Amino acid sequence: LAKTTQPISMDSYEGQEVNITCSHNNIATNDYITWYQQFPSQGPRFIIQGYKTKVTNEVASLFIPADRKSSTLSLPRVSLSDTAVYYCLVGAGYSSASKIIFGSGTRLSIRP
Amino acid sequence: GAVVSQHPSRVICKSGTSVKIECRSLDFQATTMFWYRQFPKQSLMLMATSNEGSKATYEQGVEKDKFLINHASLTLSTLTVTSAHPEDSSFYICSALSGQGAAGELFFGEGSRLTVL
Repeated sequence: LAKTTQPISMDSYEGQEVNITCSHNNIATNDYITWYQQFPSQGPRFIIQGYKTKVTNEVASLFIPADRKSSTLSLPRVSLSDTAVYYCLVGAGYSSASKIIFGSGTRLSIRP
Repeated sequence: GAVVSQHPSRVICKSGTSVKIECRSLDFQATTMFWYRQFPKQSLMLMATSNEGSKATYEQGVEKDKFLINHASLTLSTLTVTSAHPEDSSFYICSALSGQGAAGELFFGEGSRLTVL
């Protein structure tokens, strides 16, 4: 899987929009970009997945520029409950041959 | 969405004993499962890839005789920490792969916290 780089930590306040950017300079043509959220003492939870341009679901948006060397997870109007670690993963879908390797993730702290 | 269940969620054991952690895909068949361990404030570290009916593939530095993985059915993989010691205390997480290729989706269990006294 392509290596990813994210900020180690970010702080924001309730009600703000938070954007977390992930760099993946060596992304392959058939790689997808997936973001996971992890709360303490829980397994990661799927947030959103995309290949190019923009993807939006009920909890987040994912922006992917044309060169696909980076992606930005956008969380609209965050609340205290969005405090978590966010991981960006890049890979060509998943198969038994895949190694699902996690990077360092971004520790997001939301303040009142 | 699909559910992956781990059991037990917490376990405390004495040094030298063995502990088994189960990972079940509740509503789909998973030919491939992954096992991770996570230390406090750190990311998930892949330990091994478990394929149904075959031997697990361990990552470099992970002792296969220490961490026994069995994937005997399409819905169950087990991780056994043999002769556990305090340094094995960690948060163990499994994930199960539903489907293959670009359509494949990865689902994670709730994690199992092991404390070795």
